[in-house]
Amino acid sequence: GQQVKQSSPSLTVQEGGILILNCDYENDMFDYFAWYKKYPDNSPTLLISVRSNVDKREDGRFTVFLNKSGKHFSLHITASQPEDTAVYLCAAGGDNNAGAKLTFGGGTRLTVRP
Amino acid sequence: NTKITQSPRYLILGRANKSLECEQHLGHNAMYWYKQSAEKPPELMFLYNLKQLIRNETVPSRFIPECPDSSKLLLHISAVDPEDSAVYFCASSPLPGQGSQNTLYFGAGTRLSVL
Repeated sequence: GQQVKQSSPSLTVQEGGILILNCDYENDMFDYFAWYKKYPDNSPTLLISVRSNVDKREDGRFTVFLNKSGKHFSLHITASQPEDTAVYLCAAGGDNNAGAKLTFGGGTRLTVRP
Repeated sequence: NTKITQSPRYLILGRANKSLECEQHLGHNAMYWYKQSAEKPPELMFLYNLKQLIRNETVPSRFIPECPDSSKLLLHISAVDPEDSAVYFCASSPLPGQGSQNTLYFGAGTRLSVL
């Protein structure tokens, strides 16, 4: 089964709005959580990430919240802009010294309308 | 991102053998092949950590990775199958001490279409 799930395949918001993207995971051993952004015909790029020793991390308009007991993390975007239109992939992995074995969610296609 | 280059960008094949190439100029020691099929998330195929291979056991044996040195990664595919149609992303990451070891830096991908 899917170890990392994004419940919303797509989301549309008006420019300037606040939106929340959600991600659920199954593996208790995951302790690194990230959101990647992907434009069409481009590669995913890291947007923001957090380790399990904190439950929130903010970077400008983007904030990731982690709920370890609920096996859930989310991405909050404020003052959304048309340039935020993209596919957002959540990813989770375990801390190890043998490379980043990240498991990705199915993605949420975000459209920000001007 | 021009620091991880992949070639070719597009590949259309019948049942043939072909190799995908990747080179990273980031000084990373871990390199990966990910496969992203239509409407699916990227899935890890292979991970090279300091040239040691860690394999996803669900990957068919017709996919053979090669890591000639720490900056280059190849993926040899023999007798491709229509289910192999996907975008194949190369990625790299730092190891502990080099930076955030969980951050993946992706190449632009090779779109493989099997006829």
